[in-house]
Amino acid sequence: EIVLTQSPGTLSLSPGERATLSCRASQSFSSSYLAWYQQRPGQAPRLLIYGASSRATGIPDRFSGSGSGTDFTLTISRLEPEDFAVYYCQQYGSSPPYSFGQGTKLEIK
Amino acid sequence: EVQLVESGGTLVQPGGSLRLSCAASGFTFSSYSMNWVRQAPGRGLEWVSYISSRSSTKYYADSVKGRLTISRDNAKNSLYLQMNSLRAEDTAVYYCASGDYGSGMGYWGQGTLVTVSS
Repeated sequence: EIVLTQSPGTLSLSPGERATLSCRASQSFSSSYLAWYQQRPGQAPRLLIYGASSRATGIPDRFSGSGSGTDFTLTISRLEPEDFAVYYCQQYGSSPPYSFGQGTKLEIK
Repeated sequence: EVQLVESGGTLVQPGGSLRLSCAASGFTFSSYSMNWVRQAPGRGLEWVSYISSRSSTKYYADSVKGRLTISRDNAKNSLYLQMNSLRAEDTAVYYCASGDYGSGMGYWGQGTLVTVSS
């Protein structure tokens, strides 16, 4: 079973700043199967990034993903007010269970 | 417009049963794998179950194996989750989500709340 650990648990930044979120896996897997989601309060999750680095339809280019093996990163280049939310990574397709990380809460400083 | 609409969530007693449904529209449902994902109050996302487009492959989280059963009816554009022997720890919002390997779960429903309590 692949366990995903996200860090930090909470990230406090100001609008306009750069955010870097980490997702580390307990064992290596293909980056093709790493996805990132955003969840705002009271809403369903939204797919941001799939295949570790491909933006989903309609996702602004300030969001980018990178990484391979066991270390993956989501970067938000210039934070907008609507970006303050919880972010989850997930491995989907390597082998079940298709686990999520525990989430990183991005809050306004 | 793609829509996934869950229904069936309610208050149920421990040990009880429930069937959740997810109605899909706006895309070719029969071509996509589907999942159930849940979120307990104030907690993170937990993947529950996966079913391939033609139902040939099904997977479950260990926490629900033997109690929850995923199924789909492509003729009705619908996904189901049969929930038996429910426990308090099954209390959560249940989301259905579509997506194939390598593409992430691109579409999500709004969720349906299941509360297991006496």
